[in-house]
Amino acid sequence: EVQLVQSGAEVKKPGESLKISCQSSGFNFGNYWIAWVRQMPGKGLEWMGMIFPDDSDVIYSPSFQGQVTISADKSITTAHLQWSSLKASDTAMYFCARHTFGDYGLELWGQGTLVTVSS
Amino acid sequence: DIQLTQSPSFLSASVGDRVTITCRASQVISNYFAWYQQKPGKAPKLLIYAAATLQSGVPSRFSGSGSGTEFTLTISSLQPEDFATYYCQQLNNYPHTFGQGTKLEIK
Repeated sequence: EVQLVQSGAEVKKPGESLKISCQSSGFNFGNYWIAWVRQMPGKGLEWMGMIFPDDSDVIYSPSFQGQVTISADKSITTAHLQWSSLKASDTAMYFCARHTFGDYGLELWGQGTLVTVSS
Repeated sequence: DIQLTQSPSFLSASVGDRVTITCRASQVISNYFAWYQQKPGKAPKLLIYAAATLQSGVPSRFSGSGSGTEFTLTISSLQPEDFATYYCQQLNNYPHTFGQGTKLEIK
């Protein structure tokens, strides 16, 4: 089955580090751009950045550059989003999503990972 | 960054109505443009890509059109399952920005 399956919900304290994952199956992971999208509670969608796993080319939104790290491991067909020092304002749902060929839209989405940062 | 402004932000309509949601871009973009539907607690779902191409499996009552700076999503006859929030996205320039969303509610 063609799918993206994300890691489970996380509860962390401010200042802690975190790495969440997005595991693919059913398609050639290396050949598609994988994007990360944030949705803060009750708010809209925000594009964070994307990675092309075949060569690990990464493009960040300026709003998230330096705040998160996007990576991918082709050997386990998994993309990652990580923080070195979480803030309360990082509390949100995070989605990974696969681009269409030609990058005309995000056609396959993970179920989302809820990250809660609270002291 | 390209700003996308959706209108309206809220829309109240009845089953069977025809509704149109508009997304205006702050600069001219090509057809790297998509529409999504999101229901509470769920991931967004791609409806339209390349501005006007219906994603596989999406009912034909959904259609997209537009070019330049103005794009529209039309639902020809609302069904109960269509009440959700809709987002536009441009993939022409980085960052790939989203509109602020349009919440479609039952009248």
